[in-house]
Amino acid sequence: DAKTTQPNSMESNEEEPVHLPCNHSTISGTDYIHWYRQLPSQGPEYVIHGLTSNVNNRMASLAIAEDRKSSTLILHRATLRDAAVYYCILRTQGGSEKLVFGKGTKLTVNP
Amino acid sequence: NAGVTQTPKFRVLKTGQSMTLLCAQDMNHEYMYWYRQDPGMGLRLIHYSVGEGTTAKGEVPDGYNVSRLKKQNFLLGLESAAPSQTSVYFCASSYGALNTEAFFGQGTRLTVV
Repeated sequence: DAKTTQPNSMESNEEEPVHLPCNHSTISGTDYIHWYRQLPSQGPEYVIHGLTSNVNNRMASLAIAEDRKSSTLILHRATLRDAAVYYCILRTQGGSEKLVFGKGTKLTVNP
Repeated sequence: NAGVTQTPKFRVLKTGQSMTLLCAQDMNHEYMYWYRQDPGMGLRLIHYSVGEGTTAKGEVPDGYNVSRLKKQNFLLGLESAAPSQTSVYFCASSYGALNTEAFFGQGTRLTVV
């Protein structure tokens, strides 16, 4: 399975933008980049996913590097409710059915 | 629309007892997954299913069995519970794999004493 690398933790201040990086240097052409987050004491929830182009939805934006070896999840205005562990996952052709989580990035949002 | 429902939400078992965790989804999803999450750790995939009547092993399948007799249900069984199986168990489902989102249940907190 293609691997991702994320920082263990990051901090942000409330109402400021947050950029969460993810490296996936072994990504192949058909791999999708998915982001999930897990709020304290809850199950994970889907955030966003993309293939090549940048993506926006009501929760966040996903910026994908031109060579696709890295991506950044952008929270435009962090709130206290955004404090969570964020997981960057590659879903790969022929192995995508597994949905395997790494260690993720723990985001702390300061008031 | 209930989404993904896990039953029970909490359970305490004695070592050696057996039990079944039920995951039910009402979204007509093909893919279903079972994970465990130990304190301070990430999710680890136990077993998954890509359709009714199919199951496959994930990262940590030992000590667990699963069945997918009906498309909407995915059962996780512990035949002889051990303290090492104390964990929070999450179920998830998705319509597809590569280009679709997965939906998660709220978890089952299992303690084996």
